[in-house]
Order: sequence, then structure tokens, then C-alpha cells
Amino acid sequence: AQRVTQPEKLLSVFKGAPVELKCNYSYSGSPELFWYVQYSRQRLQLLLRHISRESIKGFTADLNKGETSFHLKKPFAQEEDSAMYYCALSWGYSTLTFGKGTMLLVSP
Amino acid sequence: DAGITQSPRYKITETGRQVTLMCHQTWSHSYMFWYRQDLGHGLRLIYYSAAADITDKGEVPDGYVVSRSKTENFPLTLESATRSQTSVYFCASSEDGGGSTGELFFGEGSRLTVL
Repeated sequence: AQRVTQPEKLLSVFKGAPVELKCNYSYSGSPELFWYVQYSRQRLQLLLRHISRESIKGFTADLNKGETSFHLKKPFAQEEDSAMYYCALSWGYSTLTFGKGTMLLVSP
Repeated sequence: DAGITQSPRYKITETGRQVTLMCHQTWSHSYMFWYRQDLGHGLRLIYYSAAADITDKGEVPDGYVVSRSKTENFPLTLESATRSQTSVYFCASSEDGGGSTGELFFGEGSRLTVL
């Protein structure tokens, strides 16, 4: 069965420090992976998708099929990056399975 | 404005009562979803719908009923609310079901408290 694991409930860093939010997945097929973000008092929204290989708001994520990981990284964290981050796996063309989420707190 | 809206945003009810959460989208998206968000569990899929009159169970469907008579509406009903159903409920819609694009558009959420 498909599964998404985000091992950290909370990640606290200082402004300017590097950030890595971990995501591991379990899926027998070819995975489609995504990161969603929920800022305070805002809707959950798509941050980036692995297939696009894009950088959004300074964040990047690389799919590592060997390690079954899709970690989210940013070299220099900003206070406005504080939010809840969810890793998600698409399967069967009809649903997304989300991880439990990691709260990122960036302190000044 | 076009978008996806949920109502009510906040609801307090008692155990055993029936509650319906409404979801309306104006994009004519084919797919609609209901998730619940709980501390320690993240987002879990309750039900989803690929089109009008087509619904399917997600990960945690027990105690919930959905219908989709019109493309734009996807109400979620708790037939006999229990305290374990206290949660924040999110409705979402997508053109392709989150397949290759992965893009679901979420509502603002409905916070339900069952006393």
C-alpha cells in the first residue's frame, strides 16, 4: 500500500540557516510526488511537484528513487517560510495520499 | 469570485446529531474530495468523487455519507456525529484528480466540534 512518512513533527531553525524537510514514501508503482504548504490563516496550496523540477520560493525537492525520498530543501530559511508542510504521493490518477506534516518554525 | 467555498466554517454540535458540511466550487472541476485534518494524523481522505453521481471511499469513510448530484457541490454528512469526528474538514477540487499535476485546490476548512 502507498504510504508517505514525514518523520519530524516540528522543525525549528534560525533565519538564514539551511532547511531540509524529510519525506519518504512507499509505493510499488512509479511515484508522482508533491509538496503542499499551509501558511497561518491561509489555504493549503501546492508548493512544488517533482516532475517540474522547479524551484519555488527558494525551495527545491529531488526525487530519489533509490532511497524512496523526496526531501524539501532551502539553503537560507526566511521567517515567512514558517508554515505546515505536507508531502504527498499521487497514485491511481485519482487521489493524493498525504504525510502527517511537518511544522517549520523560522526564528529571527 | 470563482473558487471553492465551504460552509459552515465553524460548527458545534452534540453527539448523535446529524451534521452536513457543504462544499461548492465554481471551476467545474471533475474531481472533488473531502479530507479531515487531525493533529498527529495529518490529512486523511474521507471520500472523493470523480464526477457527478460517482463517489468512492477514501481512507477513513466510516460514519460519513457523501453525494454529488451536481458537479459543483459535494456535501459531506455525518449521520450521527461522534466525538472522534471532531476535526477540521477540508474540501478540495481538481481537474484531473491530482494525477500527474498533483494540484488540488482546497477550501478554507470547516472546524467541527462534537460535544
